[in-house]
Amino acid sequence: AQSVAQPEDQVNVAEGNPLTVKCTYSVSGNPYLFWYVQYPNRGLQFLLKYITGDNLVKGSYGFEAEFNKSQTSFHLKKPSALVSDSALYFCAVRDIPAEVTFGTGTKLQVIP
Amino acid sequence: DSGVTQTPKHLITATGQRVTLRCSPRSGDLSVYWYQQSLDQGLQFLIQYYNGEERAKGNILERFSAQQFPDLHSELNLSSLELGDSALYFCASSVEGEMADTQYFGPGTRLTVL
Repeated sequence: AQSVAQPEDQVNVAEGNPLTVKCTYSVSGNPYLFWYVQYPNRGLQFLLKYITGDNLVKGSYGFEAEFNKSQTSFHLKKPSALVSDSALYFCAVRDIPAEVTFGTGTKLQVIP
Repeated sequence: DSGVTQTPKHLITATGQRVTLRCSPRSGDLSVYWYQQSLDQGLQFLIQYYNGEERAKGNILERFSAQQFPDLHSELNLSSLELGDSALYFCASSVEGEMADTQYFGPGTRLTVL
């Protein structure tokens, strides 16, 4: 069965510093990987996805993610964090047709 | 704004009752997904419909059921409600429902069971 792990419940980073939110996955076939962001009392917003091809995926709001097959990871990154990036971030994987498995979420706190 | 709408925004009801949550997908999207988000269980996939037909089932209880209508809106029915059913229920939609599709989420319905 597919699974996804976000090992950090919370990540704190100073404004202007680079940020990384970690995600590792386990699938039986080729993974489809997604990152979503959730602001308080809002639904999830799509950031980016990896389907195939280039291992570095660029997404919304300056975020990018690096797919690493050997380490089964798909870490979310941004070169310079903004206070407005503070939110809950979810990694998701899709392997079995149709079903999506979400990680437990990582709270990102950007400190001014 | 994702283009996915959900009603109502909030719902407060009592144990044993039945409620219906409604979702309208983005224009042109044929597939609808339902998720439950709670503090202890995280975000759990419940069920997916594609063009009126059930396509996939996740951790959906037998007390819960859903359907997608010809106009593509969907309803999630929750019956014999228990305290533990209190959660945020999200609907998402995608164009085809295929594995590579991006899902666009609605704002959610917050259900409180007293």
